Formats: sequence, C-alpha cells, structure tokens
Amino acid sequence: DTAVSQTPKYLVTQMGNDKSIKCEQNLGHDTMYWYKQDSKKFLKIMFSYNNKELIINETVPNRFSPKSPDKAHLNLHINSLELGDSAVYFCASSQVVRTYGGELFFGEGSRLTVL
Amino acid sequence: GEDVEQSLFLSVREGDSSVINCTYTDSSSTYLYWYKQEPGAGLQLLTYIFSNMDMKQDQRLTVLLNKKDKHLSLRIADTQTGDSAIYFCAESRTSNTGKLIFGQGTTLQVKP
Repeated sequence: DTAVSQTPKYLVTQMGNDKSIKCEQNLGHDTMYWYKQDSKKFLKIMFSYNNKELIINETVPNRFSPKSPDKAHLNLHINSLELGDSAVYFCASSQVVRTYGGELFFGEGSRLTVL
Repeated sequence: GEDVEQSLFLSVREGDSSVINCTYTDSSSTYLYWYKQEPGAGLQLLTYIFSNMDMKQDQRLTVLLNKKDKHLSLRIADTQTGDSAIYFCAESRTSNTGKLIFGQGTTLQVKP
C-alpha cells in the first residue's frame, strides 16, 4: 500500500495549457505539502495544508492553486503553464507534533515538462 | 536568509566512510534532518537531530552538529553501492508547521 501517492507520474504539455496533479495519503496525517524540485535538484516548499486549511503559502504565482477537499487529499492546479514550470512536483504529508517538526513522507513525484 | 548549503557531489569507494557536509544560516533552527532520495523516488527520512544535541548515532550513520558554526555532517560508515543517492540536509525553524528548508542535495556516488 503506497502511503503518499501522486498522479500522474509524468506529464508533458504545451505552454498555455492548464493541468492538475493529484495527491492522496493514507497515513491519517493532518498536514500535506507541495514541494517543487527544479532541474538542479533544489527543493522548495510551495504550499501546506493542515486539516484542509492553508497554513503555508510561499511566494508562488497565482497560476498555482492548491485545493484540499479533505485532509487525505491535496491537489495542485496550474493555469497557463510556462516553460519555467517544468520541474518535479512532490507531495508530502506529516503528522506534525508541536515539539518536533515531524517527519515528512514524500510521494514519488510528478515530473512536469512544459514544451 | 533561508540558505542551507551543501556540496553537490561526493565520490567514494565501497567500504570507505562518506562524510556529507551542510551549513545553515538560521540559529533558531530547532531540528535538522538528513533525507535520502534514490533515483526516480521521493525523499525518505534517514535521521534527525535536535539542535541541543552534538551527536547522534544510528547504526552506520553518525550525525554531528556544531551549532556555533552552524555546521551539520552525516557520516556513513562502510559505504555500500546501495547508498548511492542524493542526500538532502534540511532544517526546521518552527515546530508547529512542519515547514522544512532543504539544501540542494549532495549526490553520493559509490564505486565498487
């Protein structure tokens, strides 16, 4: 049973299109995240939701809109895709404990290529 | 700033020890982590250390923290080919959001 699963694993699309990536976790965690990993492997947080509430929203273009229908799901919708959006997008979850930042459990990543 | 820095590449021979280094800038970091990423996979937590500790050992892994110099290292004893991966250092500054700041990752290549 995959703990954090993302779909699709690969996505190739044209500039200007709109696409979505879905994420589900079966760990019973309260918090979910989207991270972006660029071509140099640099990993940066984009969003975080705790119990369906947005708690972290880094400086990300408005074209990126996360949605959390319930605490087990966090989807990422991207409008008007640009070449610079090409990256691997990782979903993660954690059961955040106040005294400990909490281990992040990552999905396998969704590689987005914008042509 | 938010910088966490690591050297990008390390190559060792099987059976040798590997030492991967990391520096961070924020002295308010509460926890520091080492994650491992194998090709085509997500990151997996290897180990973590609380900021009031100097050292933590877990089987072949030894983490050293020099808080004064803001320097973290991961030593892997008896490195195996299966240890070939990218290793990410990360810091957590507040303990109630789960937000981690990651370094760029060090690619460890283990030669037979």
